[in-house]
Amino acid sequence: QLQLQESGPGLVTPSETLSLTCTVSDGSVISSTYFWGWIRQPPGKGLQWIGNVYSGGNTYYNPSLKGRVTISVDTSKNLISLKLTSVTAADTAVYFCVRPTGNTDYHDSIPYPNYFDPWGQGTLVTVSS
Amino acid sequence: SYDLTQPPSVSVSPGQTASIPCSGYELGHKYVSWYQQRPGQSPVLLIYQDSKRPSGIPERFSGSNSGNTATLTISGAQPSDEADYFCQAWDTDTLYVFGAGTTVSVL
Repeated sequence: QLQLQESGPGLVTPSETLSLTCTVSDGSVISSTYFWGWIRQPPGKGLQWIGNVYSGGNTYYNPSLKGRVTISVDTSKNLISLKLTSVTAADTAVYFCVRPTGNTDYHDSIPYPNYFDPWGQGTLVTVSS
Repeated sequence: SYDLTQPPSVSVSPGQTASIPCSGYELGHKYVSWYQQRPGQSPVLLIYQDSKRPSGIPERFSGSNSGNTATLTISGAQPSDEADYFCQAWDTDTLYVFGAGTTVSVL
């Protein structure tokens, strides 16, 4: 059964870069067609999609975060990475690693699987000095 | 931008039926998924493609989607169903969009 596990610093200084990794167990980061993603949830609030990475390393991000976010895959270590630059208190959230899956919608030839399953347990990142 | 609207809270008595609406413009033309998030835990996929249940999800959870409203129904609610429930859809402008979530209390 596929399991995802996030890790990284729980505290980040404002204006610095948030860096998280997601380890994929009982599965492989790379398959013939893979999709991985990140979603975040500010404390006591709702869910926000951050971005997806696809086969070949193609990435697509939430426009509201574009320019600050990078998602990548390290096949040698079987993990997915998230980097968010120039963080502020508004970036304080629980960050979840997810697998986008299911039927796929397309926009500008970019594939977007319909839903997310499974989710990692999440890791809380607080942005504070 | 595309928005999904959910009521903040729903209460249900044990053994009764709870319905959680999720509304959005022409939502019936999109696939809707539902997630359950128990306190302190990560979301779990409950319903996908409007009405399909992943393996392991109890039959008391069901979904429907028509017009501008998708609905998650919990039949025979149990105390363990106390959680936050989020609907989710995909839109060409907003891409992945989530509802703000509904807290279900089983009283």
